[in-house]
Amino acid sequence: GAVVSQHPSRVICKSGTSVKIECRSLDFQATTMFWYRQFPKQSLMLMATSNEGSKATYEQGVEKDKFLINHASLTLSTLTVTSAHPEDSSFYICSARDFRGGNNSPLHFGNGTRLTVT
Amino acid sequence: DAKTTQPPSMDCAEGRAANLPCNHSTISGNEYVYWYRQIHSQGPQYIIHGLKNNETNEMASLIITEDRKSSTLILPHATLRDTAVYYCIVPDGFYFGSGTKLNVKP
Repeated sequence: GAVVSQHPSRVICKSGTSVKIECRSLDFQATTMFWYRQFPKQSLMLMATSNEGSKATYEQGVEKDKFLINHASLTLSTLTVTSAHPEDSSFYICSARDFRGGNNSPLHFGNGTRLTVT
Repeated sequence: DAKTTQPPSMDCAEGRAANLPCNHSTISGNEYVYWYRQIHSQGPQYIIHGLKNNETNEMASLIITEDRKSSTLILPHATLRDTAVYYCIVPDGFYFGSGTKLNVKP
């Protein structure tokens, strides 16, 4: 089945620094990738949708200058949390759609990145 | 915003069938409904999806009502490892609702 790899799985950083999270589709090409974050005991919240080669579309309330998304190839999207603060501590999850399956193909999710900002 | 509604929690005895309902009354005619589950601190796992016909795979069965406004995910013989939060979503934004916490009990 389609595999999405997310790295790192866990990161701790100091307040004010930036953190980059990578999301790779290992055995398929993904024209569209989705970034979610999840706070404890809550559901996944969609942050942005990224399309290969174009700017990401951010959900209302998500700061695009703080959460930089790059989708430079069909197998890689990155999320950079800039000038991280403790309130950015969360579980970040990416997903990708297998382009071969067409518009009805399901999303496949990475295993998430636990970000802790101290 | 999520386009689906689900009961917050359900209990099921081990070995019995678990039937998880989902309401998606605003689904469009050509939109599929997708089911996922999430075990604590992991990414969601894909289970099944369907348009209007009932679907079955090695994990579960999906029953979609004729008017497509609701569906039911069926785990035919629930095990303790099926304890998770189950989500149904539609592709109008792929927004997640609150899901159903399924507790499988011995």
